[in-house]
Amino acid sequence: GAVVSQHPSWVICKSGTSVKIECRSLDFQATTMFWYRQFPKQSLMLMATSNEGSKATYEQGVEKDKFLINHASLTLSTLTVTSAHPEDSSFYICSGGSGRAIYNEQFFGPGTRLTVL
Amino acid sequence: GENVEQHPSTLSVQEGDSAVIKCTYSDSASNYFPWYKQELGKGPQLIIDIRSNVGEKKDQRIAVTLNKTAKHFSLHITETQPEDSAVYFCAASIWGGATNKLIFGTGTLLAVQP
Repeated sequence: GAVVSQHPSWVICKSGTSVKIECRSLDFQATTMFWYRQFPKQSLMLMATSNEGSKATYEQGVEKDKFLINHASLTLSTLTVTSAHPEDSSFYICSGGSGRAIYNEQFFGPGTRLTVL
Repeated sequence: GENVEQHPSTLSVQEGDSAVIKCTYSDSASNYFPWYKQELGKGPQLIIDIRSNVGEKKDQRIAVTLNKTAKHFSLHITETQPEDSAVYFCAASIWGGATNKLIFGTGTLLAVQP
């Protein structure tokens, strides 16, 4: 299957700072990338959908000015959590879709654990 | 919008027994139903999926069934092994829709007792 990587795998930051998470598709071109947030013992909640070269589409309740998403190339998308606060501590997971699949298979990254102190 | 319900939330079985997880969806336009396995601290891994044009799909010890009329689909794991222990998520999607986004169920924690 297709491989998606994330960096960093975990990060600890102070409240008020910004953190950038990278998501890369290693062996396919991801025309669409999705960003999810997962709190402990809960399901994945979609935050936003981004298409290469376009602005991201955010889900209801997700602040676009707080969670900045950039999808500048077919293999890289970034999520920047601006002015992070302890309530932003979560497991952030990205996924990529090639757009060429007959159906919309998504390939998930390993996730990034964010802890805001 | 689409809503996916998943049951049970926890499931404990003895090694070698079968495990069944069930999901229901609300949007009859959904046509793609993947199942993911998530181990602690890792991202979800696709284990099997089914499209709306088939009723059943099998891959070794794992099978998925789909009932479009009732809008439910199930994951069946036979001859369970301790390494099957994980959280399993079902999902539903509308291919060709505006976003092709996946709507996830609430997850099932499967524990296989040796």
